[in-house]
Amino acid sequence: EPEVTQTPSHQVTQMGQEVILRCVPISNHLYFYWYRQILGQKVEFLVSFYNNEISEKSEIFDDQFSVERPDGSNFTLKIRSTKLEDSAMYFCATAGQGVMDTQYFGPGTRLTVL
Amino acid sequence: RKEVEQDPGPFNVPEGATVAFNCTYSNSASQSFFWYRQDCRKEPKLLMSVYSSGNEDGRFTAQLNRASQYISLLIRDSKLSDSATYLCVVNAFEIPGAEVRGGSQGNLIFGKGTKLSVKP
Repeated sequence: EPEVTQTPSHQVTQMGQEVILRCVPISNHLYFYWYRQILGQKVEFLVSFYNNEISEKSEIFDDQFSVERPDGSNFTLKIRSTKLEDSAMYFCATAGQGVMDTQYFGPGTRLTVL
Repeated sequence: RKEVEQDPGPFNVPEGATVAFNCTYSNSASQSFFWYRQDCRKEPKLLMSVYSSGNEDGRFTAQLNRASQYISLLIRDSKLSDSATYLCVVNAFEIPGAEVRGGSQGNLIFGKGTKLSVKP
């Protein structure tokens, strides 16, 4: 069964450093999402991406965040200058053909900002 | 603000028990509903979609009541392996022309989850 993959599984970084989280979507999927989950809290939407552009973003997704799909396969989330409060699990999700299609989640990247 | 509310539990039940989880959502224009399951420090995994007519998948039954904006999940004959957190999830996409302002490109709104622990 096709799956979403994410790398790295765990990233430790110093406050103020840039990090790039990577996701490989399911191959025929067209809709891509990033979510995050702070430990002990609910999963929160960050951004959606379709047709090579951001289609929607939450208030969490400020100027420190960016997404791109540089090579048509990887879907990346960049945090330009990490803060302590960015420590969380970051999940990539992808959906097939429509905004209401089921979203399949990758295993996540645990980001720890020291 | 679009919200999904769930009882956080924990629900501690013996093997073989029947357990029911409930969830309410705030946006009456919502169209698409799901139950996901999340194991500790893992990704959410789709358990089942929820339809107005109700749907069943083995030991799991999901119901949707649009009038009350209420979603339920029933697990029969609980197994040890059912121990997890169950997430009630609503797709934020709204029907065209809905009174609620602001469209969505299908991001999911999650409840905080209900923790289930099945004991031998």
